[in-house]
Amino acid sequence: GEDVEQSLFLSVREGDSSVINCTYTDSSSTYLYWYKQEPGAGLQLLTYIFSNMDMKQDQRLTVLLNKKDKHLSLRIADTQTGDSAIYFCAERETSYDKVIFGPGTSLSVIP
Amino acid sequence: GAVVSQHPSRVICKSGTSVKIECRSLDFQATTMFWYRQFPKKSLMLMATSNEGSKATYEQGVEKDKFLINHASLTLSTLTVTSAHPEDSSFYICSARDEDWNTEAFFGQGTRLTVV
Repeated sequence: GEDVEQSLFLSVREGDSSVINCTYTDSSSTYLYWYKQEPGAGLQLLTYIFSNMDMKQDQRLTVLLNKKDKHLSLRIADTQTGDSAIYFCAERETSYDKVIFGPGTSLSVIP
Repeated sequence: GAVVSQHPSRVICKSGTSVKIECRSLDFQATTMFWYRQFPKKSLMLMATSNEGSKATYEQGVEKDKFLINHASLTLSTLTVTSAHPEDSSFYICSARDEDWNTEAFFGQGTRLTVV
């Protein structure tokens, strides 16, 4: 079955870059997403990448996709304390039209 | 971006009672809505896919008689937790997908359910 894996915790210093990694198993995924969740809140879509792309950049965010290895990463440049949150990687399956989420990576930014 | 409103944001109910949670797409029509459950410090678990005008599709292990889903219009889906018990306490989140096969689904702000 489908599966999405992420490391659970990441701690970085303010101003450094953060890299959050994700692996997935479904080769038929069409879209891959990164969501941000702050405590007690819903999910905010940060960015997404179509499966035929290798990279997407949006201001401080850079998404890299290695489709061969089924590996997705999110790089946050110049990480700020406001970036502290849980980041979810997710894939959208073509055949079942549903989104499968990873366990989430808790990012802590140290001032 | 599109807005999805979920109501209520918090609810406390007594064991044995039923609770209804609403999910509305405010500025777009959503033929498909999704209901998720999130345990503390855990990921989102898809409970069911709600399709306007038809029965919801439940994920394996989710009791459809326990979690009633109604998607009566293109802008509203409801999740009713029937005969709630303390183990049903959780954070429930809905998402809605734009009718035009959007690339993303928009999430509500979630509902914190506490059953006492």
